[in-house]
Amino acid sequence: DVKVTQSSRYLVKRTGEKVFLECVQDMDHENMFWYRQDPGLGLRLIYFSYDVKMKEKGDIPEGYSVSREKKERFSLILESASTNQTSMYLCAGSGSLTYNEQFFGPGTRLTVL
Amino acid sequence: GENVEQHPSTLSVQEGDSAVIKCTYSDSASNYFPWYKQELGKGPQLIIDIRSNVGEKKDQRIAVTLNKTAKHFSLHITETQPEDSAVYFCAASIEYSSASKIIFGSGTRLSIRP
Repeated sequence: DVKVTQSSRYLVKRTGEKVFLECVQDMDHENMFWYRQDPGLGLRLIYFSYDVKMKEKGDIPEGYSVSREKKERFSLILESASTNQTSMYLCAGSGSLTYNEQFFGPGTRLTVL
Repeated sequence: GENVEQHPSTLSVQEGDSAVIKCTYSDSASNYFPWYKQELGKGPQLIIDIRSNVGEKKDQRIAVTLNKTAKHFSLHITETQPEDSAVYFCAASIEYSSASKIIFGSGTRLSIRP
């Protein structure tokens, strides 16, 4: 059974803190993605990675960075958290470049106070 | 870039009735259209998809239709059951493009009334 896990289900942080969201997949997938989910806006792509140490900006990368040092792990970093980054964050993985199904983790609900 | 619009944002149907969710896309190069279902407390999960060389696809109680000319596609759920209650997302992408980037619609919250 394929699995994508995220380090926390719920996080509460203060404005200005550095925040790390971790994602691990056991599917040996090349591609990994970070989305944020907000009511009425659907899923918006923040960053994605198609190989170790490779990263590409998505549609809303401002205020975020990512790290992919190992194939199975993809981290999302908020350098200085702000209240408008309060959201649900979803990590996903997918297989070869020609196979589009994405497997999602359960999400991390981040609240920035 | 691609833009996907989804309607309605909320939908309530009587158990046993049908539910229809509609989406439109803007990029005529898009050729792969998946639908994801997100249950409470879980991440989205692929339930069905359709490619642009096909007009309709069925899988038990769910079906998707695609009109390439009009750039719209729909999800149909027949004989709805309580476990169909969830948020549904349509999406569009260009299959075989680098990194399989997918653009999602805004989601439809489907509630099944007993």
